[in-house]
This record gives sequence, structure tokens and C-alpha cells, in this order.
Amino acid sequence: NAGVMQNPRHLVRRRGQEARLRCSPMKGHSHVYWYRQLPEEGLKFMVYLQKENIIDESGMPKERFSAEFPKEGPSILRIQQVVRGDSAAYFCASSLRSFQGKNTEAFFGQGTRLTVV
Amino acid sequence: LAKTTQPISMDSYEGQEVNITCSHNNIATNDYITWYQQFPSQGPRFIIQGYKTKVTNEVASLFIPADRKSSTLSLPRVSLSDTAVYYCLVGDGSNDYKLSFGAGTTVTVRA
Repeated sequence: NAGVMQNPRHLVRRRGQEARLRCSPMKGHSHVYWYRQLPEEGLKFMVYLQKENIIDESGMPKERFSAEFPKEGPSILRIQQVVRGDSAAYFCASSLRSFQGKNTEAFFGQGTRLTVV
Repeated sequence: LAKTTQPISMDSYEGQEVNITCSHNNIATNDYITWYQQFPSQGPRFIIQGYKTKVTNEVASLFIPADRKSSTLSLPRVSLSDTAVYYCLVGDGSNDYKLSFGAGTTVTVRA
């Protein structure tokens, strides 16, 4: 059973371009979460999705960022018109049930490191 | 969400026991404590979770005193591969996915 798969592992974009980050959850998991980790900082929640629905996007910047988790295919985090401050590691996690409650674990991918030049 | 405080870094040597203490003075009655481990260039990985007293699994032990205002993660006989960042999180389960991991404790194990 493959773990959470993220691609690409490394992504370089010029300022103003679009970045598309993909996340395939573990088999059978329908809950997906995206986090951002800035250099020398901890992970910060961005968005929580369940198949075809955004459950909570309270951590997502209001502009330029969007996320989707279609019925078929991976979850996509899209960043339009990237700026240098978007450079960070973006992690995706998935869980069988909603990531809340005792003993419910979320499994993280290896992340996508976005560098904006 | 209860605020947590843990040391920024700790150094150790192979074979030693490493204890990381996390303070959570305003922990609520329904909150439980979870620790994650993050290796360089990887996502966090669940280590252990507890509510009170002591919990032990194949990776670590978690000690929680009666007042629950702190907790200690104990890593027995560390090896070089235990070098990682360790995060302490406190939540009541209502929205754990929103928990920010903070800076964590960087544990460096030397030969």
C-alpha cells in the first residue's frame, strides 16, 4: 500500500508563473490536507478537502491560492502568479477518517519544495 | 487550542536516552497530547499519543504527570537515524488538522 505521493518533489518557478502541486492520498483515504512549511518554521495548515468538497480553507491565503480534490485523480494545490514569498515546502496529508479525534492519524507525503526565482 | 512550548534543540550521542519536555499549561480537560517526528526533507510522522500517565510503544514512551501541564517524550537508546525535529501537539480532537506544528525540537544525535 503506497503512502501519500506528492509530485513534483522539487519545483522551480519564475515570479508570475503558476505552480501546480499534486497529491495522491493513500489508498482508501478520502480526506486530504495541505500544509505549508516556510524555512526554519513549523507546518501551518492551509486547507482540508474531502472528495469534491472543500471542508475548511481557513488557512489558505485569499488570493492566488486554490485547491481541489476531484472525484477522480489527485488533489491539486494551485498557486497563481507566484512570488518569492511563496517559496516553501508544501506537504499533503491524508487520513481514512477526518483528522480529528483520538488515535486518528494523518499520513504525510514527502512534500513539494517550491522555489520561486 | 492549547499553546505548547518545547526546547528549540537538543544534542545527544548514540545509545543515550533523549527526553524532550513540552509545556502546555493551559491544556483543557478534553485535550490529548500527540508527538510527531519529521526527518529532513520528509513529512511529519506520528510517534505517540496519550492523555495521562504513561504510554509506551515500539518507538517511544510518553510521560504525562497528573496535572497534565507538561509531557515528556522519551526516546530510548537513540541512533544517528533518530536525528529529526520532534513536535508536540495538544488538541481535543475537534479540529486537529488545524494544529500548527510550531518550530518543534531539533534533536541531533552524534556518533
